[in-house]
Amino acid sequence: ETGVTQSPTHLIKTRGQQVTLRCSSQSGHNTVSWYQQALGQGPQFIFQYYREEENGRGNFPPRFSGLQFPNYSSELNVNALELDDSALYLCASRSEARLGSYNEQFFGPGTRLTVL
Amino acid sequence: AQRVTQPEKLLSVFKGAPVELKCNYSYSGSPELFWYVQYSRQRLQLLLRHISRESIKGFTADLNKGETSFHLKKPFAQEEDSAMYYCALSGHAGGTSYGKLTFGQGTILTVHP
Repeated sequence: ETGVTQSPTHLIKTRGQQVTLRCSSQSGHNTVSWYQQALGQGPQFIFQYYREEENGRGNFPPRFSGLQFPNYSSELNVNALELDDSALYLCASRSEARLGSYNEQFFGPGTRLTVL
Repeated sequence: AQRVTQPEKLLSVFKGAPVELKCNYSYSGSPELFWYVQYSRQRLQLLLRHISRESIKGFTADLNKGETSFHLKKPFAQEEDSAMYYCALSGHAGGTSYGKLTFGQGTILTVHP
């Protein structure tokens, strides 16, 4: 059983550019969440995808968008990059919880984005 | 609105001493509370959750709804406990658990020999 993987590990972009980050969920998981972690802060929820649809979103502008594919892998796209978008982006996968239960989220290693 | 507060950014103790990492939360419904840990050069991982009421690596945490707290405790700290610790809250949406986790800012625990 492989864990959550993310690519790339690091990347550098300039202000105004667009970026795509990728995540492969853990085997058997059908739900993917994305988090932004600024330096010295805890992770902040961006959005969640289940069965290829967004089903929860945090306080992030529309220029943050995502996709989930039939194999449950996911992409995070950020348009019109700003300096404040520099952060570690974490992907987490889990199985959609049954009613009344919680299924643990498993985190990937993250992608470090630097916007210059 | 959901909010998690960890008042201490840094906490240092000596090996064998008791340790308590504080966490307070704000949530209008019935929350699920978790502690996540990140060891050096490793990914974020779940340490424990209040529903399971279990002890992991000697750590325990009790949900106190009256004080809206979920402090993490260990009676005898070990050097390998040195890590970043995050308290997190998950709120419910409808009848199913909702995947959004709200994290605190984290506490760096250093256990000295």
